[in-house]
Amino acid sequence: DAGVTQSPTHLIKTRGQQVTLRCSPKSGHDTVSWYQQALGQGPQFIFQYYEEEERQRGNFPDRFSGHQFPNYSSELNVNALLLGDSALYLCASSLPTGGFGYTFGSGTRLTVV
Amino acid sequence: GENVEQHPSTLSVQEGDSAVIKCTYSDSASNYFPWYKQELGKGPQLIIDIRSNVGEKKDQRIAVTLNKTAKHFSLHITETQPEDSAVYFCAASDRDRDDKIIFGKGTRLHILP
Repeated sequence: DAGVTQSPTHLIKTRGQQVTLRCSPKSGHDTVSWYQQALGQGPQFIFQYYEEEERQRGNFPDRFSGHQFPNYSSELNVNALLLGDSALYLCASSLPTGGFGYTFGSGTRLTVV
Repeated sequence: GENVEQHPSTLSVQEGDSAVIKCTYSDSASNYFPWYKQELGKGPQLIIDIRSNVGEKKDQRIAVTLNKTAKHFSLHITETQPEDSAVYFCAASDRDRDDKIIFGKGTRLHILP
């Protein structure tokens, strides 16, 4: 049973560019959450998708947007990249509210130069 | 919103000894408290969780305790082994309100031979 799959694993982008990260949730999960983890810090909540809609959002600017597809997979888009966007981006899948526990992918390491 | 404080940031213990990591949370509505272990190059992995209607939970060498009055919860690892070396994150969530999990900043645990 595949867990959460994220692609790509590593990415280098130039300041001002745009990036798209992808996530396939664990089988049976239909809710996808995205987190940003800076070096040496805990994961910070970006947003969550359920039924193809953004259900809630953390304290991140509008440059961060996402999408969820009918098969529950999800994308995270970041526009106008800043050096400070360099981080590990984690995708987590879960059951709808009432279920417990996220399953995380291994993340995408984004470096902005 | 919820704020989770975690300490210590770094912990070194002799192999075979016990390790304790402590967390506090700010939102009295939080009712779900998971602990995650993150190894190098991997995403966080859920190792144990506790709900607000339970004061203590144990799974082999790992135990968690929760004091709702004081808004404290702790992770206890007994008989530590080299493979316990990792970064540990505590987290909190209000499962009745939303599915968002807020993380602490992490504790880097070193098991010394």
